[in-house]
Amino acid sequence: DAKTTQPPSMDCAEGRAANLPCNHSTISGNEYVYWYRQIHSQGPQYIIHGLKNNETNEMASLIITEDRKSSTLILPHATLRDTAVYYCIVRVELFAGGSEKLVFGKGMKLTVNP
Amino acid sequence: GAGVSQSPRYKVAKRGQDVALRCDPISGHVSLFWYQQALGQGPEFLTYFQNEAQLDKSGLPSDRFFAERPEGSVSTLKIQRTQQEDSAVYLCASSLAASGSYEQYFGPGTRLTVT
Repeated sequence: DAKTTQPPSMDCAEGRAANLPCNHSTISGNEYVYWYRQIHSQGPQYIIHGLKNNETNEMASLIITEDRKSSTLILPHATLRDTAVYYCIVRVELFAGGSEKLVFGKGMKLTVNP
Repeated sequence: GAGVSQSPRYKVAKRGQDVALRCDPISGHVSLFWYQQALGQGPEFLTYFQNEAQLDKSGLPSDRFFAERPEGSVSTLKIQRTQQEDSAVYLCASSLAASGSYEQYFGPGTRLTVT
């Protein structure tokens, strides 16, 4: 089961910042928070990940609360192309010395309106 | 550079037919994953390869599903005697290394419709 909860949908005006919330109250100390998004008819796309510090890259910023029980993905200037389903994922360490599967929930549909 | 590619992009099969779905991962990527995505749902894990070794197949829904990656690069997901509940998008993803916080790169998926 997914270890995160997200609202099912959110709207944002083009050019404004989009703040996407995620709750992960049962996260363990060595688990990362990952964000992916899926644009219609495409495979999921990696956005950003973090452990406990805030992170920023060319796509977005990730703000993780001090207790690590929730996080917010920030798209600073949303465009129409940012309309997608956004998945907040706590990475599961499944294989000793191996890579980890991703456990997706239903995600949150972000609609950017003109 | 080239990303993950999958073929065919669309497949229609009659119930009871066998299908084979192909995944070409990014060159040099050690890890390869298959996911199944039903309409309106998030992707669900099926199986994982590290090079040619299938290290986890716990997500395969039945013994009709079989995956292989014989030379550690291209992978094939085979579904025997397809059923209507197999209709879904099948996604392949690869990542660079066997461990660590490496992101997974997804292909566009194969949409399977079983009639």
